[in-house]
Amino acid sequence: GIQVEQSPPDLILQEGANSTLRCNFSDSVNNLQWFHQNPWGQLINLFYIPSGTKQNGRLSATTVATERYSLLYISSSQTTDSGVYFCAVERPGGSYIPTFGRGTSLIVHP
Amino acid sequence: NAGVTQTPKFQVLKTGQSMTLQCAQDMNHNSMYWYRQDPGMGLRLIYYSASEGTTDKGEVPNGYNVSRLNKREFSLRLESAAPSQTSVYFCASSTGTSFSPLHFGNGTRLTVT
Repeated sequence: GIQVEQSPPDLILQEGANSTLRCNFSDSVNNLQWFHQNPWGQLINLFYIPSGTKQNGRLSATTVATERYSLLYISSSQTTDSGVYFCAVERPGGSYIPTFGRGTSLIVHP
Repeated sequence: NAGVTQTPKFQVLKTGQSMTLQCAQDMNHNSMYWYRQDPGMGLRLIYYSASEGTTDKGEVPNGYNVSRLNKREFSLRLESAAPSQTSVYFCASSTGTSFSPLHFGNGTRLTVT
């Protein structure tokens, strides 16, 4: 099956710092999504981004499908950004089954 | 707007006991999924249902069964719980077409002693 690797596995920031999270995938994909799991365990969809760049407030994401990676940028981080960030990809072929990476754990200190 | 609702939120079982995790969505989605989350492992797919009346195995189906009761509901059953099934279980749904974001329930934390 498709392999999804996220880096770094852990990240610790001071409030106000910027960061970049990376998601590499081993095969062509139809779809890529970024999720945030907050400290209470809830999983929230941040971006649906199979290609190109999207922005939502302080967060933005870029997917370069031809080079098989996606980046999630967090600017001016806040303590509420803490949690685990997952990317999930879907392969072409008709079965819309997201495969997840192992996540990046982010802690933002005040 | 409830979205995806999972019950129960927490459960403790003894080895060998059985239980069913319930999931319901009110977004008229075709596809539903069960994932388990273990520390450092991300989310791994147990079973999925691409549409009402169909179910298929995912990456880690052993020890589980599922039922797609109708378009809204997708249950996960543990027939004889084992300590290795201690995990957090998430149900999710999507329209099942391309360009469709995944929506998650709040999870069930299961401990098997």
